[in-house]
Amino acid sequence: EPEVTQTPSHQVTQMGQEVILRCVPISNHLYFYWYRQILGQKVEFLVSFYNNEISEKSEIFDDQFSVERPDGSNFTLKIRSTKLEDSAMYFCASRKGAPAYNSPLHFGNGTRLTVT
Amino acid sequence: GEDVEQSLFLSVREGDSSVINCTYTDSSSTYLYWYKQEPGAGLQLLTYIFSNMDMKQDQRLTVLLNKKDKHLSLRIADTQTGDSAIYFCAEILPYGQNFVFGPGTRLSVLP
Repeated sequence: EPEVTQTPSHQVTQMGQEVILRCVPISNHLYFYWYRQILGQKVEFLVSFYNNEISEKSEIFDDQFSVERPDGSNFTLKIRSTKLEDSAMYFCASRKGAPAYNSPLHFGNGTRLTVT
Repeated sequence: GEDVEQSLFLSVREGDSSVINCTYTDSSSTYLYWYKQEPGAGLQLLTYIFSNMDMKQDQRLTVLLNKKDKHLSLRIADTQTGDSAIYFCAEILPYGQNFVFGPGTRLSVLP
């Protein structure tokens, strides 16, 4: 069965550094998402992306965050200048169809980001 | 507001049934989902229910939906140790693309 793949599985970075988290969504999916989960806390929506642009974003997704689909397969999340509180598990997800239809999210296994 | 709620912990004995409850706030949600998260892993889709259904059964899983009370439950029959995980309910708001997740219920299965 096709999967969403994320790399790396674990990223350690120093505060103030830029990080790029990478995802390869399922190939025939059209909607792409980033969520994050701080240890032991809720799964929080960051951003959704469709048709090469951001369709929704949360308050967490401020100017330090950006997303890109640089080619036909990758979907990246960039954090420009990391803060300690950005430490979390970041999940990429994709879905095939339009919101009105039953089109569940398929998640990758996540990238654990540790900011020191 | 968009706030999905769940109780945080549930312990059951192996072989018993587990019932995980969820309340959601938007009565116009079209689909409601249950996801399972094992330690160190992503969220795995377990099952879903469309809002015009009351019940859906899928092997050991039974989903009940009470639209009037905005209450969703997941029953796992004959719970096994492999069912130990965090279970998230999620709704998708109509005309939106954002899935809203509950805080997750940590299910512990005791031998």
